[in-house]
Amino acid sequence: AQKVTQAQTEISVVEKEDVTLDCVYETRDTTYYLFWYKQPPSGELVFLIRRNSFDEQNEISGRYSWNFQKSTSSFNFTITASQVVDSAVYFCALRGGAGNMLTFGGGTRLMVKP
Amino acid sequence: EPEVTQTPSHQVTQMGQEVILRCVPISNHLYFYWYRQILGQKVEFLVSFYNNEISEKSEIFDDQFSVERPDGSNFTLKIRSTKLEDSAMYFCASSGSMGPPSLYGYTFGSGTRLTVV
Repeated sequence: AQKVTQAQTEISVVEKEDVTLDCVYETRDTTYYLFWYKQPPSGELVFLIRRNSFDEQNEISGRYSWNFQKSTSSFNFTITASQVVDSAVYFCALRGGAGNMLTFGGGTRLMVKP
Repeated sequence: EPEVTQTPSHQVTQMGQEVILRCVPISNHLYFYWYRQILGQKVEFLVSFYNNEISEKSEIFDDQFSVERPDGSNFTLKIRSTKLEDSAMYFCASSGSMGPPSLYGYTFGSGTRLTVV
């Protein structure tokens, strides 16, 4: 069975602070894919990143960066110099090698205060 | 950028009534999904659909639920006799391939908020 754990239910930071959202996953598959989605107050799910299990290179996209560590089954997400517009719920998700379903973590609500 | 379109954005229905949620997936995608998010909780998989049949479903997707692709563009989720606990946001998603996920992963619609009273 697959499982995704986001231990931080809520994080509050002040604008311009850096913040890291943790994601730990469990799967028996050797091939799998990890995702991060953003859910702003308007409710839609916005795709941020996809990473496959063969590619452990960290990725940076503007103020966003992702740290994938297979040894600890973690796929953490860092926002540098946070902004009020980053306030949202962030979900980490896992898709195993067989099948197509996404297993979501419980989400982390990020509040960025001015 | 291509979008997944869901209608309506909000639906209120009485307990016991049938409800149909509609989705228009991205036109060249082959795989279609429904997910559910009860208020304040995580997003849960309901069902995936490929080649005009269900390819996977979760325990949540019981006999009260059904999916259909009635024409070349729409993908619907029907709940036959709604219960209070069916109140949730329902997301439709589509993806391009069964193998490695499409370049853009899964594309989600904006959701339909279903309120059962």
